[in-house]
Amino acid sequence: DAGVTQSPTHLIKTRGQQVTLRCSPKSGHDTVSWYQQALGQGPQFIFQYYEEEERQRGNFPDRFSGHQFPNYSSELNVNALLLGDSALYLCASQSGQRSRYGYTFGSGTRLTVV
Amino acid sequence: SQKIEQNSEALNIQEGKTATLTCNYTNYSPAYLQWYRQDPGRGPVFLLLIRENEKEKRKERLKVTFDTTLKQSLFHITASQPADSATYLCALQGGSSNTGKLIFGQGTTLQVKP
Repeated sequence: DAGVTQSPTHLIKTRGQQVTLRCSPKSGHDTVSWYQQALGQGPQFIFQYYEEEERQRGNFPDRFSGHQFPNYSSELNVNALLLGDSALYLCASQSGQRSRYGYTFGSGTRLTVV
Repeated sequence: SQKIEQNSEALNIQEGKTATLTCNYTNYSPAYLQWYRQDPGRGPVFLLLIRENEKEKRKERLKVTFDTTLKQSLFHITASQPADSATYLCALQGGSSNTGKLIFGQGTTLQVKP
């Protein structure tokens, strides 16, 4: 049984460009959350999608947007990239909005903005 | 504002000893506290979850305690092995008003020497 799948694994973009990251949740999971992890730091919550709607959002600007599809997969879009957006972007899935059984994370997409 | 602190220094211990990691938090009343393991270049892997009304939870060589008065959790790995070397993340999950956002500490790196 595949866990959370993220693509691409690595990406290099130029300042000002736009990027789309993709996530397929673990089988049986219907909720997807996105996190940004800078080097040496813990992950920071970006937003959570459930039933194709953004249910909760962290302290990130509107340049960060997302989408969830009927098959529960999700995309994270970042516009007008800044150097500070360079990070590991993690997708986590769970069943239901509030999991009491932990979250399943993907291996992440390493985004480098130059 | 909400703040979570983990041992900032890396923890180096000898194989066979017990590793104890600390997670302290302020300005927060979590419903759940979770511990994750993260290896370099990989996403976090869920280890244990403890609820606010639980004092202790165990899973094989792992033990977590949760003191809501002290606002502290301790994470113990007994009979540690070199394979336990990784970064360990503490994460808080809020109450009824918080649908699923995890707030992470910065992580503690554990090195177990043979």
